[in-house]
Amino acid sequence: EVMLLESGGDLVQPGGSLRLSCAASGFTFSSHAMSWVRQAPGKGLEWVSEISGSGRATYYADSVKGRFIISRDNSNDTLYLQMDRLGPEDAAIYYCARDRTGTAPFDYWGQGSLVTVSS
Amino acid sequence: SYVLTQPPSVTVAPGMTARITCGGNSLGTKSVQWYQQKSGQAPVLVIYYDSDRPSGIPERFSGSNSGNTATLTISRAEAGDEADYYCHVWDGTDDQYAFGPGTRVTVL
Repeated sequence: EVMLLESGGDLVQPGGSLRLSCAASGFTFSSHAMSWVRQAPGKGLEWVSEISGSGRATYYADSVKGRFIISRDNSNDTLYLQMDRLGPEDAAIYYCARDRTGTAPFDYWGQGSLVTVSS
Repeated sequence: SYVLTQPPSVTVAPGMTARITCGGNSLGTKSVQWYQQKSGQAPVLVIYYDSDRPSGIPERFSGSNSGNTATLTISRAEAGDEADYYCHVWDGTDDQYAFGPGTRVTVL
């Protein structure tokens, strides 16, 4: 059974940093690209970033480019999202999702990790 | 970045057919996915590659994509179909993904 479990969400002050993790199991992690998708309270889904299975290729939404870094540890089946210079607009539930082919679909999702940005 | 449009809401009577549209420039040249998100839950893939259904998704869910519009059709709507539905594409021009703004489906 494919499982994705996010962690690391927390309350952080504006301008602060946070690192999210996503532990994967039930599939060959290194064979799949992985994405982060976020959802602000009461809002729609927003794609944030994706990393290829090898980790060599990364992609970012314009809204986070230069502030967020996606990475992965294929030896420990874990995906990461390093978030710096956080602002109120970054407050959201962050989901990790498995990308079946590298150009969608996102066929498995975690349950999400809540990031709150407030002073 | 690539922009997708969806109607904010669709209301359907039980047993009837709901159609949710997703619009985008030359959308028919892209592969469209649809996700269902029920309140307080993570999204679930219901249609991929325009019209394919993952295992476990009822045949009542179907999809099409042509021109500038993709459509998710829910036949014989049930109360359990009430959810937000999002379309989703990969934009190879910008190497980014795009989600539509979402459509809330109410079965009433």
